[in-house]
Amino acid sequence: GENVEQHPSTLSVQEGDSAVIKCTYSDSASNYFPWYKQELGKGPQLIIDIRSNVGEKKDQRIAVTLNKTAKHFSLHITETQPEDSAVYFCAASIRGDDMRFGAGTRLTVKP
Amino acid sequence: DSGVTQTPKHLITATGQRVTLRCSPRSGDLSVYWYQQSLDQGLQFLIQYYNGEERAKGNILERFSAQQFPDLHSELNLSSLELGDSALYFCASSVGWATDNEQFFGPGTRLTVL
Repeated sequence: GENVEQHPSTLSVQEGDSAVIKCTYSDSASNYFPWYKQELGKGPQLIIDIRSNVGEKKDQRIAVTLNKTAKHFSLHITETQPEDSAVYFCAASIRGDDMRFGAGTRLTVKP
Repeated sequence: DSGVTQTPKHLITATGQRVTLRCSPRSGDLSVYWYQQSLDQGLQFLIQYYNGEERAKGNILERFSAQQFPDLHSELNLSSLELGDSALYFCASSVGWATDNEQFFGPGTRLTVL
């Protein structure tokens, strides 16, 4: 089955800096790659997703890139703010199949 | 607020017992997913129901079962509980049956098995 690895496990940046989180997946048939943000005491919330027919997607300060050949995808957050502090999860799935999640990255943005 | 509700918020029980977790999806959503989040296993997909029927199965133990009722709410039943079942259990819902439909997560139920 699909295996998703996520790095780093913790990331600390200064407010205004950029943050990058990377994930790799094992199953080349995976075609949907969402990213979730989980704040303390809450459930995960989808922040951006990308499908395998697209190489990059951007939504304001957040962007995701996908390299199908290398089987990795990355989350980029620019101009980080303290409210970006949370745990971020990547995931991969084959449309119609179960979602596999990375282990999570705890992002801390220092003011 | 995602629109997905889960009850109870916290549950404390003993080994060997059985519990039921409840989830109400967002209005209009036909799919319900159950996930387990633990410190050592991370976030794991358990099972999905779509419009009352089981749609997909993940790493769900035989001691666990779920169902989705005609009003689309879902229940996750955990039996013969073990210490290792202590975790956060999340329910998510989406409009369609495919996992690339956006999933909206509830606030979770924290289960503690003593």
